[in-house]
Amino acid sequence: KQEVTQIPAALSVPEGENLVLNCSFTDSAIYNLQWFRQDPGKGLTSLLLIQSSQREQTSGRLNASLDKSSGRSTLYIAASQPGDSATYLCAVGPYGNKLVFGAGTILRVKS
Amino acid sequence: NAGVTQTPKFQVLKTGQSMTLQCAQDMNHEYMSWYRQDPGMGLRLIHYSVGAGITDQGEVPNGYNVSRSTTEDFPLRLLSAAPSQTSVYFCASSYVSGISGNTIYFGEGSWLTVV
Repeated sequence: KQEVTQIPAALSVPEGENLVLNCSFTDSAIYNLQWFRQDPGKGLTSLLLIQSSQREQTSGRLNASLDKSSGRSTLYIAASQPGDSATYLCAVGPYGNKLVFGAGTILRVKS
Repeated sequence: NAGVTQTPKFQVLKTGQSMTLQCAQDMNHEYMSWYRQDPGMGLRLIHYSVGAGITDQGEVPNGYNVSRSTTEDFPLRLLSAAPSQTSVYFCASSYVSGISGNTIYFGEGSWLTVV
């Protein structure tokens, strides 16, 4: 059974700092990995999707990497801003909506 | 485009009552699914559908029913509510693209409390 773990569970950093969120999964037979952002009381917004054949994806200040063999992914956020404060979730899946989620990392960026 | 719309946003039920959480999407997506989110556990898949008339169970299907009579709608029915079903429920949709995956769109959630 696939299990997804995210470390740390919570993180508080000063504005401007670069930071790394970690995601690990137990079964390397995945087809994709996705990072989501969730604001309080809201749904999830997809940030980055990495196909199993890819090593990384970038979008603005965000960079996500994938190492299938070791069962790890990292989300790198450059020059963090208070508006980045949210919960970040990673999920792995075979396809479509059938995803297995981690519990998330709660990020607080202090101004 | 409204995206994925869930109703109601908040609901309080008594143990044993039944209710339906509504989900509708206007993006002509084939895939739709329901997840529940509990503290410290991430989101867990309840049921999903790959198209009208086709549904299947996810990780935690017990106590829930679904149907998919149209592409747009995917209601989730709680048959006899239990306190263990107190949770936040999210509906999601996406296009089907084989095994490569697609951007998934989530609704804003339905907060359910069973007393």
